[in-house]
Amino acid sequence: QKEVEQDPGPLSVPEGAIVSLNCTYSNSAFQYFMWYRQYSRKGPELLMYTYSSGNKEDGRFTAQVDKSSKYISLFIRDSQPSDSATYLCAMSAQNQGGKLIFGQGTELSVKP
Amino acid sequence: GAVVSQHPSWVICKSGTSVKIECRSLDFQATTMFWYRQFPKQSLMLMATSNEGSKATYEQGVEKDKFLINHASLTLSTLTVTSAHPEDSSFYICSGRTGRKEAFFGQGTRLTVV
Repeated sequence: QKEVEQDPGPLSVPEGAIVSLNCTYSNSAFQYFMWYRQYSRKGPELLMYTYSSGNKEDGRFTAQVDKSSKYISLFIRDSQPSDSATYLCAMSAQNQGGKLIFGQGTELSVKP
Repeated sequence: GAVVSQHPSWVICKSGTSVKIECRSLDFQATTMFWYRQFPKQSLMLMATSNEGSKATYEQGVEKDKFLINHASLTLSTLTVTSAHPEDSSFYICSGRTGRKEAFFGQGTRLTVV
């Protein structure tokens, strides 16, 4: 079993839809949770960063962390064609020297 | 967010030659930098962790003599692919970690060995 599981998709939605992306994990020591967006042939771009449990909102993006269920989510409201990319969840523990454990990435396509 | 600059963005080299990739944190000091390799349609694979002023820590299966990492300052880390071969062709990405534990990535370097 992988430490972090993420549905690879691909996920295709119409413009304006609400998108829900999810990751589950097995290591209860994870405390830092991140969502990255990666366009083709580019480096990942940090979208959301959350420490421990809770919700965080930034514009059209909302990140949720439920440590009791070992489950994190990223919601994208009013999705746009420019949101079409691969979304990666990543997490790390306090005692791992900052090493990130990534999900497999979900490929999202938003159709006009 | 913080900015990590990686150069070159793409490079083509002949088999047997060496290639150096630079990674700079422009607006923060990165005591720790990470180097990843990514194959098409796959997630990032951590190659090594470099700490300023000390030797890099390599992941299992990564040849430290082939992938030389130097972290000479708090803002610069380099990856040198020595005696490159076609199987080393890949997308290489660096990241720097801030004091807030966030990790920011460079633009990536596409290496093609012919």
